Amino acid sequence: SQQGEEDPQALSIQEGENATMNCSYKTSINNLQWYRQNSGRGLVHLILIRSNEREKHSGRLRVTLDTSKKSSSLLITASRAADTASYFCATDERGNTDKLIFGTGTRLQVFP
Amino acid sequence: AAGVIQSPRHLIKEKRETATLKCYPIPRHDTVYWYQQGPGQDPQFLISFYEKMQSDKGSIPDRFSAQQFSDYHSELNMSSLELGDSALYFCASSLGLAGSTGELFFGEGSRLTVL
Repeated sequence: SQQGEEDPQALSIQEGENATMNCSYKTSINNLQWYRQNSGRGLVHLILIRSNEREKHSGRLRVTLDTSKKSSSLLITASRAADTASYFCATDERGNTDKLIFGTGTRLQVFP
Repeated sequence: AAGVIQSPRHLIKEKRETATLKCYPIPRHDTVYWYQQGPGQDPQFLISFYEKMQSDKGSIPDRFSAQQFSDYHSELNMSSLELGDSALYFCASSLGLAGSTGELFFGEGSRLTVL
């Protein structure tokens, strides 16, 4: 069954604006990751946050994790046209470390 | 730096034919994962291998099989192909298992079209 669900499914913004994407999951996890995918290309790892962390930053990316609500958010600040892509959260499942389960993804379009 | 290599990048097959996809993980990575991604869909986990042994299995049809060889490369064999098998197939590798080490490194995918 699907572990992660994201909202919104699609997001359109102007360059310079911030983009926020949310992810919810179902089971206890060891860590949650965010990946980016350009159309038809492979997924690229962006950031990992462990279950005992609440917030993490990497450049223009800020990720939060609320394990009590089983949810995470990815904030991209000062967006650029090059940020246009699909963004997926992925979780493992505590006690089962053999795979990552991906959410439904958010398609982000940043207009110049 | 070396990345995950998948071949072929594109493949066109007829219904009921067989296809084999290959994946060469990043050197020293011992874990390989296969994912299937339909158009506009999220990647669906198929199967994973750790140290040449199957470690987990997801929504992989019985018509599909996979293995990891002594050099850690992996092959996904798909038989009796159906139209619904048309998708992007991704291979990913990691050093250790996803839940313990985290990041997966993905290849560019193999696009399978079944006519």
